[in-house]
Parts: sequence; structure tokens; C-alpha cells
Amino acid sequence: QAGLTQPPSVSKGLRQTATLTCTGNSNNVGKQGAGWLQQHQGHPPKLLSYRNNDRPSGISERFSASRSGNTASLTITGLQPEDEADYYCSAWDSSLSAYVFGTGTKVTVL
Amino acid sequence: EVQLVQSGAEVKKPGESLRISCKASGYSFTSYWISWVRQMPGKGLEWMGRIDPTDSYTIYSPSFEGHVTISADKSISTAYLQWSSLGASDTAMYYCARITGYHDFDYWGQGTLVTVSS
Repeated sequence: QAGLTQPPSVSKGLRQTATLTCTGNSNNVGKQGAGWLQQHQGHPPKLLSYRNNDRPSGISERFSASRSGNTASLTITGLQPEDEADYYCSAWDSSLSAYVFGTGTKVTVL
Repeated sequence: EVQLVQSGAEVKKPGESLRISCKASGYSFTSYWISWVRQMPGKGLEWMGRIDPTDSYTIYSPSFEGHVTISADKSISTAYLQWSSLGASDTAMYYCARITGYHDFDYWGQGTLVTVSS
């Protein structure tokens, strides 16, 4: 089952900006967009951004999502220690008739 | 408040059967699909399948079809994931998640840790 490609890790300094990418194809990210999930160690994932790039209620404005072609991006501005987590993208793949997840990016705040 | 509450951790032997549950509350159970997601130790998220609680129509990831069964009982707002014969490779954390009409995983259960060991 094909997945979405994410860089394994991103490290940035406190209060800096991190941009995470999620690359798929025209059957998933390119057609349907991608949602973003945050997972802290030992906890379940939490939705950070809907496929249409809107934020759920209660999610900080420091998290913003966008898409260009087959690549979705999540930008985290003003990095805080609590942003250290794993981040996953997700999408519906119309060719596979299945959901696919990204490989995950571990964000480290230096 | 939307909640998905999963059953507790399980320790099983290879070849044993198992059913874990995910009880929904705070919304109309039949208005959203429920999905199951596997996370093996130290690894990423893997989509296993999803069910429409309205009619129990289910689709599976090819990676899991034939190895697990997803079901739901709408009278008690509960979804299930079951195995007829567990193997060591089934050791993982399993999450249920609600899926919106736009294919977003918007609420997640707390996870059920399944350990299969002889």
C-alpha cells in the first residue's frame, strides 16, 4: 500500500519556524488534499489541520497548512518546547480506495 | 463532548482470538465512519480499514484484509476490531478514529495495546 512521503526529522531552534512537507500523487494529496496530525510520545494522534487547511477549534494559529500540487505543507511558527512531537499527514487515495498516512516527521526544538 | 473510549490492554498467546472495542459518545454514532489504525512499536500509523455504522459496510486495507474483522453495534455506539488467530507480528497499539465526510480523522480513541507473546 503506497504511503505519503515525509522527511524523517526536522530540527529548529526555539521560536523559529519549521515547515514540514508531505508528498503524494494526483490520486491523493493532489486531488483530495491532506490532513495533519500531531502525536506526542505515548499519546494518540490529534488533528491539527483538516484537508481544506482549516484548523479545528482549539488549535493554535501557529500551525498553518497549505498545498501545492501533490505536496502538502504544515508550517509551525514560533516553535515552542511543546511542539516536539511526531507529525503525520493523511489523505484519501481515490485510486486505492483507501486512506494513506505519511511516513511521519519527528520535530525537535533545539 | 465527542469521546472514543477503547477497551483495555490485552496480553495474548499466538493463535488466540481477540476482540477489542471502541465506544463512541457525544455525537450521533451513525453520522460518521469509524476507522482502525495500527501503530507498531516505534513505527508510524497504518490504516487498517473503516466501517459505516449505519449499515456496517466495511472496507479494508489490502494489507489487513482477511486477517482482521471490523464490525459495529449501533445500538450501543460501539465499533470492534477482532482477530481469529493472533500472531506475534500483531503486537502493536491500535487506535480507533472518527472520520468526517471530508476524510479527516478528527477524533481518536486513547489506544489499546495488544501484546502477543508465547
